[in-house]
Amino acid sequence: QKEVEQNSGPLSVPEGAIASLNCTYSDRGSQSFFWYRQYSGKSPELIMFIYSNGDKEDGRFTAQLNKASQYVSLLIRDSQPSDSATYLCAVIRGGGADGLTFGKGTHLIIQP
Amino acid sequence: EPEVTQTPSHQVTQMGQEVILRCVPISNHLYFYWYRQILGQKVEFLVSFYNNEISEKSEIFDDQFSVERPDGSNFTLKIRSTKLEDSAMYFCASSESSSADTQYFGPGTRLTVL
Repeated sequence: QKEVEQNSGPLSVPEGAIASLNCTYSDRGSQSFFWYRQYSGKSPELIMFIYSNGDKEDGRFTAQLNKASQYVSLLIRDSQPSDSATYLCAVIRGGGADGLTFGKGTHLIIQP
Repeated sequence: EPEVTQTPSHQVTQMGQEVILRCVPISNHLYFYWYRQILGQKVEFLVSFYNNEISEKSEIFDDQFSVERPDGSNFTLKIRSTKLEDSAMYFCASSESSSADTQYFGPGTRLTVL
């Protein structure tokens, strides 16, 4: 049974601060890792993906992957009120057409 | 920027009726997917489709469900004899190459079964 665990929150962060979101996964065969953002009533929107251990930066976002610990994180620097959303961690084995396994998401609130 | 489109945005049906949800994946993408999200719950994988056949399906995707690519652009999900518990958001997604590639989601169809 593939599981992806996230703290559901809400996680409240002051505007301008760093928001840190965490995710653990159970399937050691997972190869690709994604962070999606979902606003209420909307579809998941890709924020970042990461395949290799270490850090990957894209603008204000940094994804971190530690396959040995089966742990993925997302850092959001200089948090803005528009970053308030639910952040979904998703993992996949890849190599075929298998589907993403999603966590329940962390509800992030950026306080102005 | 290319995007996945879905119609209708909201579908209301009576229990026991059949519904067809439609998706137009991004044009150069080869892998297509359906997911669902029951209100307040996580996004769940239903089925993936490649080269005109189902590649993988989850436990949720039972005989009540079917998928089809009737022409070169549309990708459909048919739900036969809908049940109350089928009420959910249904998302279509597509990826360019393998599933390890990024999957881009459509805006979703909200299905309400009365």
